[in-house]
Amino acid sequence: DAGVIQSPRHEVTEMGQEVTLRCKPISGHNSLFWYRQTMMRGLELLIYFNNNVPIDDSGMPEDRFSAKMPNASFSTLKIQPSEPRDSAVYFCASSLQTGGYGYTFGSGTRLTVV
Amino acid sequence: AQTVTQSQPEMSVQEAETVTLSCTYDTSESDYYLFWYKQPPSRQMILVIRQEAYKQQNATENRFSVNFQKAAKSFSLKISDSQLGDAAMYFCAYTVYNQGGKLIFGQGTELSVKP
Repeated sequence: DAGVIQSPRHEVTEMGQEVTLRCKPISGHNSLFWYRQTMMRGLELLIYFNNNVPIDDSGMPEDRFSAKMPNASFSTLKIQPSEPRDSAVYFCASSLQTGGYGYTFGSGTRLTVV
Repeated sequence: AQTVTQSQPEMSVQEAETVTLSCTYDTSESDYYLFWYKQPPSRQMILVIRQEAYKQQNATENRFSVNFQKAAKSFSLKISDSQLGDAAMYFCAYTVYNQGGKLIFGQGTELSVKP
């Protein structure tokens, strides 16, 4: 298995632009998570899905953030419009719903908004 | 509230020596899992070791072992024979069994290894 695949690995965009981050989870995993990592706030859970259904989006900072999981093999995190304070590393991770085996993380997307 | 606390922002160890990273957590659940993740400068999050709360035996993975004290809600990581490649940020994490797999992370401990 190729693991959790995220794209792009790096993204630099101008303030006000739309940004879309993509994630392909491990086949067979039925839970998917989006995290944001910054020096100040550490790892923050933004949203997670079970069986493609959003379960908890309480970590999504603002309405500018949205996430979708149209099928079991693909998810997107969109920021529109982007702001400099959105600059961070965004991780996608997947797991079995029981949680007992932990997550497998993607390699992350480093987003820089200038 | 379920929380995970790592009280050591930074730790340092001499190569070939042993170091212990601390983690405490707060929960009212009885069936849960605990994890240690490693994040090297490459930023990839790597699962180091996992512990099931119902097991009294401490988990071990090669040079990595844990000291799990359920009553004290403590879950420390011991790294033996430290190597330069062990230098990384280490995160303690917790999840309740069969509740969707949501992981709660501690703030992290940055480990440096001196040659």
